[in-house]
Amino acid sequence: EFVLTQSPGTLSLSPGERATLSCRASQTVSRNYLAWYQQKRGQAPRVLIYGASSRATGIPDRFSGSGSGTDFTLSISRLEPEDFALYYCLQYGSSLTFGGGTKVEIK
Amino acid sequence: DERLVESGGGLVQPGRSLRLSCAASGFSFSTHAMTWVRQAPGKGLEWVASINEDGSDKYYLDSVKGRLTISRDNGKRSLYLHMNSLRGDDTAIYFCARHGAREAYQAFSYMDAWGKGTRVTVSS
Repeated sequence: EFVLTQSPGTLSLSPGERATLSCRASQTVSRNYLAWYQQKRGQAPRVLIYGASSRATGIPDRFSGSGSGTDFTLSISRLEPEDFALYYCLQYGSSLTFGGGTKVEIK
Repeated sequence: DERLVESGGGLVQPGRSLRLSCAASGFSFSTHAMTWVRQAPGKGLEWVASINEDGSDKYYLDSVKGRLTISRDNGKRSLYLHMNSLRGDDTAIYFCARHGAREAYQAFSYMDAWGKGTRVTVSS
């Protein structure tokens, strides 16, 4: 069974600060097929990053993804007020598995 | 612009059935794999089921196999989730999502478009 573990569970930061979110896989993610999603309260998820490091269409360049194998990171260089939300990673190399999520909240 | 609109949710008693629908517009529905994802109250996202472009391949979360069935009608540009023997832990918002283009060797790509979801509550 594929398990994705996201950490931390909650990240408390101020606008303008840098956010670093982690997603660790229980086994190697095939071809780095790892995506990141943002979900705001009451809304559907929105894809930010796919293929571990490629930004989706229309996503600001303050969002970046990195990593390979079993360890992946989503970085937000300078938090804007609209970035405070839930973030999920998804592996799509072997079936589909979501991580448990990281909440980025205002400190 | 692509649009996905779910319908069919509601309050249903345990053991009963429900059919969710997802109407697609603004893109070539028949050339995209599709997926259902659910989110229980206050919980994270959970993949439920996926179907390939022509409906010949279907994949399910183990805990829903035999109870939930995914299907599609490309002529009607619609995706469905038939839900039988519903249980309390099926209570969730159910999202319909479109997969992006995939490589030939790849079962599914990531999901690049989502509907707003339909709420299913299983309770007596």
